[in-house]
Amino acid sequence: SAVISQKPSRDICQRGTSLTIQCQVDSQVTMMFWYRQQPGQSLTLIATANQGSEATYESGFVIDKFPISRPNLTFSTLTVSNMSPEDSSIYLCSAVQTGANVLTFGAGSRLTVL
Amino acid sequence: QKEVEQNSGPLSVPEGAIASLNCTYSDRGSQSFFWYRQYSGKSPELIMSIYSNGDKEDGRFTAQLNKASQYVSLLIRDSQPSDSATYLCAVNRGNFNKFYFGSGTKLNVKP
Repeated sequence: SAVISQKPSRDICQRGTSLTIQCQVDSQVTMMFWYRQQPGQSLTLIATANQGSEATYESGFVIDKFPISRPNLTFSTLTVSNMSPEDSSIYLCSAVQTGANVLTFGAGSRLTVL
Repeated sequence: QKEVEQNSGPLSVPEGAIASLNCTYSDRGSQSFFWYRQYSGKSPELIMSIYSNGDKEDGRFTAQLNKASQYVSLLIRDSQPSDSATYLCAVNRGNFNKFYFGSGTKLNVKP
């Protein structure tokens, strides 16, 4: 299965700032997704990262708050903008490898907002 | 109604017993079904996938699917303390579609 690298693995940020998380996959993938996992909770889908076009956001998530880019088949970024303590969470990049219908996850980025 | 529902647990079983984890889903168009295991502080990892009604076995794990009842289960035989984790059920409507996750069931296997 695809190997997904995310960075940073963790960060502590101040309220009102923005942070960009990078996701790199080692092979071509069809779909890339960004999930959020708040403490003790399950995975919530933020958006589908579409190559070369605007991401498709789930209900409750908007582009101004979570801008996403996917300039090519193997790379995507998620920005968490104007952060507040409620944004403290683990953000997970995931992907479906070409030819397979299996979702693989990166190690996650643990974000703490003070 | 949530896309995927699971009992949050915790489910406690003694070592060597069978652990039974259950999941229901709301969209009859769902075509693919998955069980992920997530250890504390780690990202989810795939255990099993199942696409057709019936049972699918892989080592100590058996996934069961009943599309008529919109029900998926995971059986873990000879449970080990190392199986203690949160188990997430996920469904997908087919290729190029999103994956929806249940809230997860926490399993504790007691030595």
